Amino acid sequence: SAVISQKPSRDICQRGTSLTIQCQVDSQVTMMFWYRQQPGQSLTLIATANQGSEATYESGFVIDKFPISRPNLTFSTLTVSNMSPEDSSIYLCSVGLAGGPETQYFGPGTRLLVL
Amino acid sequence: KQEVTQIPAALSVPEGENLVLNCSFTDSAIYNLQWFRQDPGKGLTSLLLIQSSQREQTSGRLNASLDKSSGRSTLYIAASQPGDSATYLCAVRGNKLVFGAGTILRVKS
Repeated sequence: SAVISQKPSRDICQRGTSLTIQCQVDSQVTMMFWYRQQPGQSLTLIATANQGSEATYESGFVIDKFPISRPNLTFSTLTVSNMSPEDSSIYLCSVGLAGGPETQYFGPGTRLLVL
Repeated sequence: KQEVTQIPAALSVPEGENLVLNCSFTDSAIYNLQWFRQDPGKGLTSLLLIQSSQREQTSGRLNASLDKSSGRSTLYIAASQPGDSATYLCAVRGNKLVFGAGTILRVKS
């Protein structure tokens, strides 16, 4: 299993500003994922972040809006840039582990409100 | 494009009742299906994972079934307790993990 922490746990931000969310894992993992969960909706994959390569973004998400860093095998950041109220969501970090049942572990999420 | 639907969207039951949550998906070409529990501020907890070749998985009071050909899964919760109150998410894995919108469960004491 993996223990994942995220910072901040929640934040209230003004439109036009940017917020960087940190994700820390207690073990080295190859694949890390960032999801968004808008109010009342399902989790949507934003991008996959593998260490040593550029993040791969899903349709509808672009690097300028959601830049991602992956400096090592235990850490990643997601920045939500030039925020608008539509960015108000829960952002979740997730990791995939190899060598066991194919499953993903999720962090506690960052609850973002943009005014 | 895979789409996952969960019914009902919300459910309120008295303590002790047995209940069934439903999940359907449009593309049967999946590797596995997972049921997660989501608690506010605590992220997602994986409850059960069913590989595409399996029909069901059990863990304690939870039983999940999978009918891949019809694109359906059910999560059965026996003898529900107030601590079971949470949002339950179904997710299917093809080339990526696709989630349903969830069922909000409230178990009243």
